[in-house]
Amino acid sequence: GAVVSQHPSWVICKSGTSVKIECRSLDFQATTMFWYRQFPKQSLMLMATSNEGSKATYEQGVEKDKFLINHASLTLSTLTVTSAHPEDSSFYICSAKGQYEQYFGPGTRLTVT
Amino acid sequence: QKEVEQNSGPLSVPEGAIASLNCTYSDRVSQSFFWYRQYSGKSPELIMSIYSNGDKEDGRFTAQLNKASQYVSLLIRDSQPSDSATYLCAVRIAGGTSYGKLTFGQGTILTVHP
Repeated sequence: GAVVSQHPSWVICKSGTSVKIECRSLDFQATTMFWYRQFPKQSLMLMATSNEGSKATYEQGVEKDKFLINHASLTLSTLTVTSAHPEDSSFYICSAKGQYEQYFGPGTRLTVT
Repeated sequence: QKEVEQNSGPLSVPEGAIASLNCTYSDRVSQSFFWYRQYSGKSPELIMSIYSNGDKEDGRFTAQLNKASQYVSLLIRDSQPSDSATYLCAVRIAGGTSYGKLTFGQGTILTVHP
């Protein structure tokens, strides 16, 4: 299957700071990327859909000013968690859509202290 | 009614048995169907995709789709302890403004015991 990378794989930050997470499709071009969040023992929650060159589409209840998404190229999307708080601590997973199938990155575990 | 429903389990099968995982969906215009495996603490891994009615086999895995019944299943033959994971059913609706986003079921926890 296709390869999607994420960086960093884990990050610890202090409350009030911002954290940027990168998602790259390594061997295919992804016009659409998705950002998910997953809390322990819960299912995936879609946060936003990112299309190359256009503004991201956020799911209901997700603050677009807090979770900034940029999809500058066909292989790179970034998620910036601004003014992070402990309740933002979670497992953030990106996913890139190829022609038919969707592949997930390995995830970024964010801990806000 | 949830858009994609799975029995959360846990489903426990002995090593070597067939594990049968089921999924129903509510939207008749759904066109693409996927099964992902997620180990604890890891991200989902695509294991099967199916687009047309019938069976699709890949190694020990067989996906079955019945659009009339709005039902998709995954069979795992010769189950191994390494198959123990949460299996996520995902459905994509074509067209519209959804940009092809997937709708996931809540996942079925499978445990294969030696």
